[in-house]
Amino acid sequence: ETGVTQTPRHLVMGMTNKKSLKCEQHLGHNAMYWYKQSAKKPLELMFVYNFKEQTENNSVPSRFSPECPNSSHLFLHLHTLQPEDSALYLCASSQDLAGGPRQETQYFGPGTRLLVL
Amino acid sequence: AQKITQTQPGMFVQEKEAVTLDCTYDTSDPSYGLFWYKQPSSGEMIFLIYQGSYDQQNATEGRYSLNFQKARKSANLVISASQLGDSAMYFCAMREDTGGFKTIFGAGTRLFVKA
Repeated sequence: ETGVTQTPRHLVMGMTNKKSLKCEQHLGHNAMYWYKQSAKKPLELMFVYNFKEQTENNSVPSRFSPECPNSSHLFLHLHTLQPEDSALYLCASSQDLAGGPRQETQYFGPGTRLLVL
Repeated sequence: AQKITQTQPGMFVQEKEAVTLDCTYDTSDPSYGLFWYKQPSSGEMIFLIYQGSYDQQNATEGRYSLNFQKARKSANLVISASQLGDSAMYFCAMREDTGGFKTIFGAGTRLFVKA
């Protein structure tokens, strides 16, 4: 398998549920990202990891909890979400964060469409 | 102030014709990169083309070319010989060298290719 994969592709959850989104990249990259894409809003960066270390938390509520056990895997743990958290969650990876803009070309997964009821 | 502006919410183009999608950006950083992504209805963001601020020539990738006008701070995407499969959302994005670890995306332009 190549590129960036995300599971599940679709998820429906209640506000009291706990679920996790998984992202895996097969590109040998060292940086990974979580984005939220809501209808009619620009893509919002949530978290950035570089060599497994979190380098950016873009004021994301604590009901979203990221985990990066290694450079190839990234998780987003969800609990007590709100209906306004319904969105497309995109994972991306790039070579690293130190090589300049070209090295940070991001390659995206297919996303997880999340619906919170 | 918006860092990336895409003024065309939607565009129509006839199959086999060329189309230009506009993007203007705002930065005071001399070193930056500009990207274009395509997002079909399936949701995946597909990287199309990259232009560095110090690149002397406009970037080209197959049917995609980037019309980079540095003084005007514009980075328009040109798609030649449009195909039905080009119908999608297109996002312009910028990464500044001193902007932390954020790539900033525009609001996007939806392209419709007519048969």
